Parts: sequence; C-alpha cells; structure tokens
Amino acid sequence: EIVLTQSPGSLSLSPGERAALSCRASQDVSNGYLAWYQQKPGQAPRLLIYGASTRATGIPDRFSGSGSGTDFTLTISRLEPEDFAVYYCRHHGSSPYMYTFGQGTKLEIK
Amino acid sequence: EVQLVESGGGLVKPGGSLTVSCAASGFTFSTYSMNWVRQAPGKGLEWVSSISSDSTYIYYADSVKGRFTVSRDNAKNSLYLQMNSLRAEDTAVYYCARHMSTVTREFQHWGQGTPVTVSS
Repeated sequence: EIVLTQSPGSLSLSPGERAALSCRASQDVSNGYLAWYQQKPGQAPRLLIYGASTRATGIPDRFSGSGSGTDFTLTISRLEPEDFAVYYCRHHGSSPYMYTFGQGTKLEIK
Repeated sequence: EVQLVESGGGLVKPGGSLTVSCAASGFTFSTYSMNWVRQAPGKGLEWVSSISSDSTYIYYADSVKGRFTVSRDNAKNSLYLQMNSLRAEDTAVYYCARHMSTVTREFQHWGQGTPVTVSS
C-alpha cells in the first residue's frame, strides 16, 4: 500500500508570493496516477492537477504540478487571496484498487 | 451541469446502521463509476468505496470492509452507502464523487457532503 506524505504540514505566505507544496510517495508511482486537490473550509474538494502535471478544466495557470517517481510538487506561482486553503495529493492504484490521500498541507495567509 | 446531492446523514448510536444517498443529475449516470469519500472532523480525506457503472466491480477501503455496502440504481440516478456496525471513528462528512470521465479515475465532481455522527 502506497503512503503519501505531504510537507510542510502548514505554510504561511503572503499574497503574491510563490508556494511549493511537496508530496512524497512511499514507493515509485506512475505519474499518471498522481493528482492534487484544493479544499476550502466548508466546501468539497476541487480537482486542480491530474497526471502529476495536467491542469483540470478551469484551473488558472498559476497552478502547476511536477515530479516523478516518488517526489511530486504543486507550485502556485503567485498567490491570490482565494488560494489559501488545504491542499491534498492523491494516488490511485489498481492492484489493489484503492485511492490514497496525503494528510494535507494548510496554506495560510501570513 | 453535473450535480451530486447527498442526503440521509444524521446521528446514530455505536453499533447502529444508516444509509446515505447521492442523487445525480446533469450527466448519464449509468456510464460512470461512482465513489464515496469521507472526512472526519478536522481531518483529511479518506476514500471509502467505489462502484463501477454497472455494479460489476465494487471496492472498499479496509477500514469499512465487511461493514459498509455500496450500491446504485441507474434507473433512479442514485448511489447509496449502507453503513452497518457503525463506530465512533466513522463520524465524518460523506461525499459522493464522480470521475472526470468514463475512462479516468480523477474525482472531478463532488457533492456537498452529508454529515454522519456516531455517538451515544
């Protein structure tokens, strides 16, 4: 079973700054199976990135995903006020069939 | 527009049972696999269960296997999660989620969630 570890647990930045969120897998994962989600308080999660680096429909280009193997990064190039939220990485596997989320990174306004 | 609306959450005693539902609209429900994901208060996301479009394939997280049963009624555009032998650790908001497409496994569409509280 793959375990996803996100770091840091929380990050305090100011609007306009660049954010880099890390997701490390316990074993090599296929890039096609790594996604990133954003969740704001009281809301359902929102798909940002899939296939490690492809932006979902309607996601601004300040969001980008990168990485391969066991190390993946979500980068927000220039933080907007609406970007302060919790971010989760997620992997899906086929054998066994399952979905694994990281524990989340809380991005806070400094 | 894709819409997923969960219902049926509430307060239940430990050891009790509850069924939550998800009503789907805005897409051809019968062609998509569907999923349940939960979130305990103040905690992260946890996948619970998945069911294929025709109910042939069903999967559960180890934490709920043997206690929860997922089902769907394509004629009613509805997804269900029957939860038995409920424990305090099952307390969470339960979301239904649809994949981005019929051939991908990204959860692009989510309902607003229904809260389940297991407490005496």
